[in-house]
Amino acid sequence: NAGVTQTPKFRVLKTGQSMTLLCAQDMNHEYMYWYRQDPGMGLRLIHYSVGEGTTAKGEVPDGYNVSRLKKQNFLLGLESAAPSQTSVYFCASSDLGDDTEAFFGQGTRLTVV
Amino acid sequence: QKEVEQDPGPLSVPEGAIVSLNCTYSNSAFQYFMWYRQYSRKGPELLMYTYSSGNKEDGRFTAQVDKSSKYISLFIRDSQPSDSATYLCAMSAGSSASKIIFGSGTRLSIRP
Repeated sequence: NAGVTQTPKFRVLKTGQSMTLLCAQDMNHEYMYWYRQDPGMGLRLIHYSVGEGTTAKGEVPDGYNVSRLKKQNFLLGLESAAPSQTSVYFCASSDLGDDTEAFFGQGTRLTVV
Repeated sequence: QKEVEQDPGPLSVPEGAIVSLNCTYSNSAFQYFMWYRQYSRKGPELLMYTYSSGNKEDGRFTAQVDKSSKYISLFIRDSQPSDSATYLCAMSAGSSASKIIFGSGTRLSIRP
């Protein structure tokens, strides 16, 4: 029972490089989210999706792009990485409706040097 | 002003103590209130979930919501070293375009 799986788990990028973080969920959830977690800042929403083919901006969307081509996958892209994007990234998913329990992946630790 | 405010701690208490963790919020549309527990280098896991005002108890954990004061609490009785973690409150309006808003988390340490 995988739940929410994030790849990769760790990555070091040089400033200006690009990369894509993959999130996959096997619970048939409609909603998917990308958060970043920084010390003292808690979880901040980057982008989210309320269904296949839809995306929306969260609290801190600048410098990131997302795509939800398949219901089970939610991709987070960094086109030109900056040191300020050094963080732990969490993907989550939740079911449609009033019960908004979110299930989280294990996180991706990204360092931009 | 942040929609959800939470004291980051750290909070350190002796084993067996009662722990009180709190959050305040500003958005009166929030109806769903959650507490997540996050162990070091792990993703958050849902601990407690409450709809609207009132109390909810689950073993040693009690969640309270006071919508009139826009204040929620999590109480941990008979705290154990295994309760040492970061606790994040989270809230949602529950609308069709809802998204969960998290507090910054309180780091809790239970001393044996």
